[in-house]
Amino acid sequence: EPEVTQTPSHQVTQMGQEVILRCVPISNHLYFYWYRQILGQKVEFLVSFYNNEISEKSEIFDDQFSVERPDGSNFTLKIRSTKLEDSAMYFCASSEAVQANSPLHFGNGTRLTVT
Amino acid sequence: GESVGLHLPTLSVQEGDNSIINCAYSNSASDYFIWYKQESGKGPQFIIDIRSNMDKRQGQRVTVLLNKTVKHLSLQIAATQPGDSAVYFCAENRGNAGNMLTFGGGTRLMVKP
Repeated sequence: EPEVTQTPSHQVTQMGQEVILRCVPISNHLYFYWYRQILGQKVEFLVSFYNNEISEKSEIFDDQFSVERPDGSNFTLKIRSTKLEDSAMYFCASSEAVQANSPLHFGNGTRLTVT
Repeated sequence: GESVGLHLPTLSVQEGDNSIINCAYSNSASDYFIWYKQESGKGPQFIIDIRSNMDKRQGQRVTVLLNKTVKHLSLQIAATQPGDSAVYFCAENRGNAGNMLTFGGGTRLMVKP
């Protein structure tokens, strides 16, 4: 079964550094998402992306965050200057369509630790 | 405030028994609901979904029930197995354009052999 893959599985960085989290969505999917989960808390929406532009973003997704689809297969999340509170699991997801009968399929996440 | 929440943070069941995991939602505009299973160290795994024009949907060993009158969603797992042990999340789509899902807080299901 096709799956969403994320790299790296664990990223440790110092506060103030830039990080790029990478994702390869399912190949025939057109809609891409980033969610995050702070330890012990709910999964939270960050951003959705379609046709090379952001469709929707949450309040969490401030100017420090950006997303990009640099080629036909990768989808990246960049955090420009990491803060301690950015430490979380970051999940990439994709779906075939954006209608509300197209479930999101998630990757296994990247654990980001900011020290 | 508007949120998706779960009644029981931990549910412990005997192997072979049926499990019922509950979820309450407060936004009557939500039109699509999904149950996800999350095992340790993995991402949420799609289990089953239901649209608001339905009140029941069945999959393999799982059934989702939707009661729009009381804004309640449940996941029933038949003949629960040790491999079912995980955290289960309900999520709702509030009809927004970007297919944004709002997740509940999760229920941990523990299956005793």
